[in-house]
Amino acid sequence: DVKVTQSSRYLVKRTGEKVFLECVQDMDHENMFWYRQDPGLGLRLIYFSYDVKMKEKGDIPEGYSVSREKKERFSLILESASTNQTSMYLCASRLGVAGNTIYFGEGSWLTVV
Amino acid sequence: QKEVEQNSGPLSVPEGAIASLNCTYSDRGSQSFFWYRQYSGKSPELIMSIYSNGDKEDGRFTAQLNKASQYVSLLIRDSQPSDSATYLCAVNNDYKLSFGAGTTVTVRA
Repeated sequence: DVKVTQSSRYLVKRTGEKVFLECVQDMDHENMFWYRQDPGLGLRLIYFSYDVKMKEKGDIPEGYSVSREKKERFSLILESASTNQTSMYLCASRLGVAGNTIYFGEGSWLTVV
Repeated sequence: QKEVEQNSGPLSVPEGAIASLNCTYSDRGSQSFFWYRQYSGKSPELIMSIYSNGDKEDGRFTAQLNKASQYVSLLIRDSQPSDSATYLCAVNNDYKLSFGAGTTVTVRA
C-alpha cells in the first residue's frame, strides 16, 4: 500500500510565524503535490514537484515556498503565516507518468491566529 | 473560467436511486480524468479513472467521458447511505492535476 504521511495533523500558529508542513511518501514516486482545500473552492494546487530539486508553481503559490531535497520528502513552507492561510493542506504523490493515480496524505489542518 | 467545473450541490437522492454527477473542463489537451470521493474530515480517495471516450463501469459506478464536449460524468447506481460524501472531479494535463469544487451527495434512507 502506498503511504503518504503528513507529520502534523493539527497546528495552531501565530500570524507572522514561519510554518513547515512535512510530507513523506514511501513508494519512490517522482511527482509530489501540495494542495489546500477550502469550503466551496475545492482543492487548489499550490506547488508540485516532478522530481528531486524540481518544483513548479501551481495556481496559488503566493505566500508559500517548497523544498524537495530528497525524493521521498516534499515540504511546504509558509514564510510568514497569515490568517488567510488557515486551511486544510493536502500532500499527494504519484508515480511519474501523468495518468497514474495520485495518492493523498491524511491532511494537515492549519489555523493561523 | 475555472479549469474544472462541477454541478453545484448538494444532491439528495433516495436510497436505491441513481445519482448523476457532472463535470466539464476547459483544457482540450487534458489527457486523463478521475473521480474521487471524500468523506467529511478525510482525504480524497480514488473511485474511478477514465482515459478514453465512452463508458467505464466498476461495480455500482460508471464514468462517462466525452472529449469533444469536454465533459465527464459519474453515475452511482443503487445509491447507499455509505455513498453520502463529496465527489471531486479531477482532470490531468501533463504534470498538473486540477480539481473541481466538488458535489456533495446525500443518500437518504
